[in-house]
Amino acid sequence: DAGVTQSPTHLIKTRGQQVTLRCSPKSGHDTVSWYQQALGQGPQFIFQYYEEEERQRGNFPDRFSGHQFPNYSSELNVNALLLGDSALYLCASTSIRTKRGNEQFFGPGTRLTVL
Amino acid sequence: SQQGEEDPQALSIQEGENATMNCSYKTSINNLQWYRQNSGRGLVHLILIRSNEREKHSGRLRVTLDTSKKSSSLLITASRAADTASYFCATESGSGNTGKLIFGQGTTLQVKP
Repeated sequence: DAGVTQSPTHLIKTRGQQVTLRCSPKSGHDTVSWYQQALGQGPQFIFQYYEEEERQRGNFPDRFSGHQFPNYSSELNVNALLLGDSALYLCASTSIRTKRGNEQFFGPGTRLTVL
Repeated sequence: SQQGEEDPQALSIQEGENATMNCSYKTSINNLQWYRQNSGRGLVHLILIRSNEREKHSGRLRVTLDTSKKSSSLLITASRAADTASYFCATESGSGNTGKLIFGQGTTLQVKP
């Protein structure tokens, strides 16, 4: 049973470019959340997708957008990259339909460096 | 913004000693979870404690929750070098099963062999 997978592992972009990160949730999970973790900080919630719709959003600008596909996989898109977007981007999956309060399963992350 | 603050920011102990990390948060919660992260990689779920629970154990881990003080502690007993990692508390709030976690800043634990 594969856990949460993310691609690519590392990515280097320049300011102003656009990037797409990908995530496949753990088998049986229907909800994907994305987090940004700056160096030395805790992860910060970007947004969450369930039933192919953005369900919740954190305090991130519209440059950050996402998508969820019918197979529950998800993409995170960031436009007009800034130096401050350099971070580890983590994807987490869970099942909203199961009982209240669930652990999140995290992927290994994508390390994005913006030059 | 971060929900919680963790204390201490860094902790260095000898193998075999116990390690205690504390977490404080600001709003009412559904549950509080602890995660471990090794060297900037993905997070691993350790334990979840619900708002109506006061203490929970899992192997060498013991978590307490005091909702009146909005605080939690994680105790790792008989620590091992392999426990060296960053530890984060995360809270889930709101009605229903939100799946949205608010993380603290983390405690970096070093266990010396």
